Amino acid sequence: DQQVKQNSPSLSVQEGRISILNCDYTNSMFDYFLWYKKYPAEGPTFLISISSIKDKNEDGRFTVFLNKSAKHLSLHIVPSQPGDSAVYFCAASLTNLFGNEKLTFGTGTRLTIIP
Amino acid sequence: EPEVTQTPSHQVTQMGQEVILRCVPISNHLYFYWYRQILGQKVEFLVSFYNNEISEKSEIFDDQFSVERPDGSNFTLKIRSTKLEDSAMYFCASSEDAGELFFGEGSRLTVL
Repeated sequence: DQQVKQNSPSLSVQEGRISILNCDYTNSMFDYFLWYKKYPAEGPTFLISISSIKDKNEDGRFTVFLNKSAKHLSLHIVPSQPGDSAVYFCAASLTNLFGNEKLTFGTGTRLTIIP
Repeated sequence: EPEVTQTPSHQVTQMGQEVILRCVPISNHLYFYWYRQILGQKVEFLVSFYNNEISEKSEIFDDQFSVERPDGSNFTLKIRSTKLEDSAMYFCASSEDAGELFFGEGSRLTVL
């Protein structure tokens, strides 16, 4: 049951251009969305998040957009840099009664920035 | 910068053996988690732990798995009798509250 889907397993972008990574979800109860970046042999690193009450959150070169009606979110990286090459995971959260989160991850998109 | 640390980084074990994976979460965090990633697949939630008890667990987290916080700093995942399909990267994570999770670098488990 893939509640969070990243349909593009890989993406190549020229350095300096915009990278757009997409994510779709099926569970309308998700209330928090996150993007994680993962390098080989390392754990996922938090990048940026957005609450379901917002439609945009920006942090430096990274912007996340949320379209609740379409159950779609996207991560924009501009300008793309070689160090951005990594696997990007979209994750969705359903805060439970205990106040903590269980993250449901997508399958990831491998981003390669071409110098 | 505070970080989540995990040991061992890689463990090789025979099928049927018990394995304990250890984690030291960030010191002021209250929520603790284990996730795993089988090679080539997505990161999957296993269990969350709060106030010295399991708050939620997935279908993967069956009776072979247990978690413990034996002292004020360590958070362990025990697999009682390992199976081949338990081979994966196991990630520990912690969070201060409902917000971002901080992940460790992972422990790779190989079951032969």
